[in-house]
Amino acid sequence: NAGVTQTPKFQVLKTGQSMTLQCAQDMNHEYMSWYRQDPGMGLRLIHYSVGAGITDQGEVPNGYNVSRSTTEDFPLRLLSAAPSQTSVYFCASRNGGAGSTDTQYFGPGTRLTVL
Amino acid sequence: GDSVTQMEGPVTLSEEAFLTINCTYTATGYPSLFWYVQYPGEGLQLLLKATKADDKGSNKGFEATYRKETTSFHLEKGSVQVSDSAVYFCALSFRAAGNKLTFGGGTRVLVKP
Repeated sequence: NAGVTQTPKFQVLKTGQSMTLQCAQDMNHEYMSWYRQDPGMGLRLIHYSVGAGITDQGEVPNGYNVSRSTTEDFPLRLLSAAPSQTSVYFCASRNGGAGSTDTQYFGPGTRLTVL
Repeated sequence: GDSVTQMEGPVTLSEEAFLTINCTYTATGYPSLFWYVQYPGEGLQLLLKATKADDKGSNKGFEATYRKETTSFHLEKGSVQVSDSAVYFCALSFRAAGNKLTFGGGTRVLVKP
């Protein structure tokens, strides 16, 4: 199993540009989520999904869109990038639904810089 | 809302020293508690967890005990190695809230030979 994969590893954008961060998992996990990691603030939840076709907002959803058309993929879209979105983005997945306490598996991260 | 507070780093130690990283939480009720570790250039990995009061989580020589009286979940290791150099995150979740993780700010640990 490849686990949770993310592409790209690094990305530089100009303010106002759009892009999609890709996330895929091959463990047939129902639950997937996106976090951003900023210095001294730990990880903060952006959006999550409990299954294909179902998404919901986390703690910091503004400026980001998600969709979940398949169990495997959970892309994160920035429609108009802003410097405040400069961060490291992590995708995670786990088995089970909303009530599951199974371990979350994290991808290696995407480092995004918005100029 | 719920929050997790952990000591700021960096924590610099010599090999074989004793490591403690403090973690306290603020929450209504009794969450599950976790320690995650992030090695350089990698994503987070679950290190250990505890789901109820007085539970002790342990893994790779690390231990943490869920103390509801002091709302704490301090991480300890008796003899650190250079390979333990990483960033450590304390986190909590509630089943009723869909088990979404709330993280502390992370503590960077550097172990020198």
